Amino acid sequence: DQQVKQNSPSLSVQEGRISILNCDYTNSMFDYFLWYKKYPAEGPTFLISISSIKDKNEDGRFTVFLNKSAKHLSLHIVPSQPGDSAVYFCAANQDSNYQLIWGAGTKLIIKP
Amino acid sequence: DTAVSQTPKYLVTQMGNDKSIKCEQNLGHDTMYWYKQDSKKFLKIMFSYNNKELIINETVPNRFSPKSPDKAHLNLHINSLELGDSAVYFCASSHRRGGANGYTFGSGTRLTVV
Repeated sequence: DQQVKQNSPSLSVQEGRISILNCDYTNSMFDYFLWYKKYPAEGPTFLISISSIKDKNEDGRFTVFLNKSAKHLSLHIVPSQPGDSAVYFCAANQDSNYQLIWGAGTKLIIKP
Repeated sequence: DTAVSQTPKYLVTQMGNDKSIKCEQNLGHDTMYWYKQDSKKFLKIMFSYNNKELIINETVPNRFSPKSPDKAHLNLHINSLELGDSAVYFCASSHRRGGANGYTFGSGTRLTVV
């Protein structure tokens, strides 16, 4: 039972345009949703998170939107840069639980 | 200074051998984890320790044994290595359950069993 799903294995975006990465979840008890970025041969790096009581969190070029009624969140990157090419993982956790639940990842390719 | 460091980065070994992967964090976190990234690139939790106490022990072969000598270290020992153990193993740490800040990961150990 996959509680966190990223249905797009890959996404290709022109440099300078907006990248939108999507994530769906099934567990309404999650307290936080997080996005991680991963380059080949490196560990995942924390990017941005959002509390379940918020609907938007912004940090520079990165904005995460949360739609609790649809159990959907998205990461917007504006403008997209070549260095953004990486695999992006969506994850979620509960305050009562030590376990972070992961999506399968979306490979983002930024075209020059 | 590397926040979460794991050694070695690459490990090639023969079937049947016993090997260890070491992990250390200098972030002052009280919780540490071992993850396995499988062939489909999923990140799967294996173990977690909080203040040296085992709190997550997922269904992994008992050939895998974690050891936490103190809350800054979590090592992974694997006995009688099998071909199917080949994967990338990631160590991570967090303050308590992670919350909004999630986990900090090491750079991974690529284990190849031949």
